[in-house]
Amino acid sequence: QSALTQPASVSGSPGQSITISCTGTSSDVGSYNLVSWYQQHPGRAPKLMIYEVTKRPSGVSNRFSGSRSGNTASLTISGLQAEDEADYYCCSYVGSSTFVVFGGGTKLTVL
Amino acid sequence: EVQLVESGGGLVQPGGSLRLSCGASGFSFSAYSMNWVRQAPGKGLEWVSYISTTRSTIYYAGSVKGRFTISRDNAKNSLYLQMNSLRAEDTAVYFCARDSGYCSSTRCVEGSGNFDYWGQGTLVTVSS
Repeated sequence: QSALTQPASVSGSPGQSITISCTGTSSDVGSYNLVSWYQQHPGRAPKLMIYEVTKRPSGVSNRFSGSRSGNTASLTISGLQAEDEADYYCCSYVGSSTFVVFGGGTKLTVL
Repeated sequence: EVQLVESGGGLVQPGGSLRLSCGASGFSFSAYSMNWVRQAPGKGLEWVSYISTTRSTIYYAGSVKGRFTISRDNAKNSLYLQMNSLRAEDTAVYFCARDSGYCSSTRCVEGSGNFDYWGQGTLVTVSS
């Protein structure tokens, strides 16, 4: 099972919106409503930001939203803030045995 | 407050063994399936292994199958990862992560890949 494809880096200015894509296949992203997104600051543990494609855990800002079109999931961050600068990873369930696959990660820079 | 605390990492020679532990508190450990996820230095996240609540279902990534063994002790609120035949490419921070499960309109399943809580990680270095 290959890793999901994410852009290596994205950037935006404070207040702007950015979108990070996560491209898989019809066997993972396109098959299950089990795509999640994680934020990771340097030296810290990952934090769940979006689960089941579009759902936000309690306590996560509504500036973060998830969507999917076909085999590509997306994370959109609106009203960029300095503290959003971090690495972001997508993850998709792929069925029993192989279980899940992560994307390669995207480094978000807030200019 | 949900807490996951990993321990047991360290420096080990190639071919050696190490046992990681993850202590859980703040939630009903026996009600959640659990995972190990690792991150090599400067690299991305890699899922390693999954175990269901009753240990009836266990999965491994291909890169560790046959060398690593996941287990849990619900009475001790603890998750473990026994790592044998370690290689340089196993060098990474190892995180334990709780799986929140998934409920559709008709049923609920344990393993979903929604990792809602993570520990702080423990570093494993495989080097001579």
